Amino acid sequence: DVKVTQSSRYLVKRTGEKVFLECVQDMDHENMFWYRQDPGLGLRLIYFSYDVKMKEKGDIPEGYSVSREKKERFSLILESASTNQTSMYLCASRAGTSGNTIYFGEGSWLTVV
Amino acid sequence: GQNIDQPTEMTATEGAIVQINCTYQTSGFNGLFWYQQHAGEAPTFLSYNVLDGLEEKGRFSSFLSRSKGYSYLLLKELQMKDSASYLCAARSSGNTGKLIFGQGTTLQVKP
Repeated sequence: DVKVTQSSRYLVKRTGEKVFLECVQDMDHENMFWYRQDPGLGLRLIYFSYDVKMKEKGDIPEGYSVSREKKERFSLILESASTNQTSMYLCASRAGTSGNTIYFGEGSWLTVV
Repeated sequence: GQNIDQPTEMTATEGAIVQINCTYQTSGFNGLFWYQQHAGEAPTFLSYNVLDGLEEKGRFSSFLSRSKGYSYLLLKELQMKDSASYLCAARSSGNTGKLIFGQGTTLQVKP
């Protein structure tokens, strides 16, 4: 089975802190994604990566950056956390461009106080 | 623009049939997905349609009409454990083929 692992399930951070959310997948997938999920807004794409060191902005990239130094790992970085970034963050991966199924991690609940 | 629309909430009775509709507009189209998400958990894959027609998988079926930009998820013989959010997502075309999600439909199954 494909496994997408997010390093932290629950985090509480202070405004202005730098926050790292780590995601690792074990199926050699080319594509990886970071979404955030908020009530009434559904899942919104922050960034995605279709290969190592490659990244593209999603629909809401402001306030975030990403890093993909190795194929299996995709990190989401909040350079200076703000309260409006309190959300559930979901990492996902997919095999190449012909792969159909996107697999999600368990999610990271981030609260910024 | 890109947009996915689905109802916010639905209620149905255990043992019944429910249909959750989804309309979509994307820049290019490369498939329609349905995911199930229980509260506090990650979404899990239910179905994928890329051609017009009905795909059946046990109690769940999904239908696609590309000309109408329309899909539905049909759940038969509803069980209490089917209470969850159901997410419709359309994949855009192109090399990166990103997935655009609707807000999700929260289904409550009552005894």
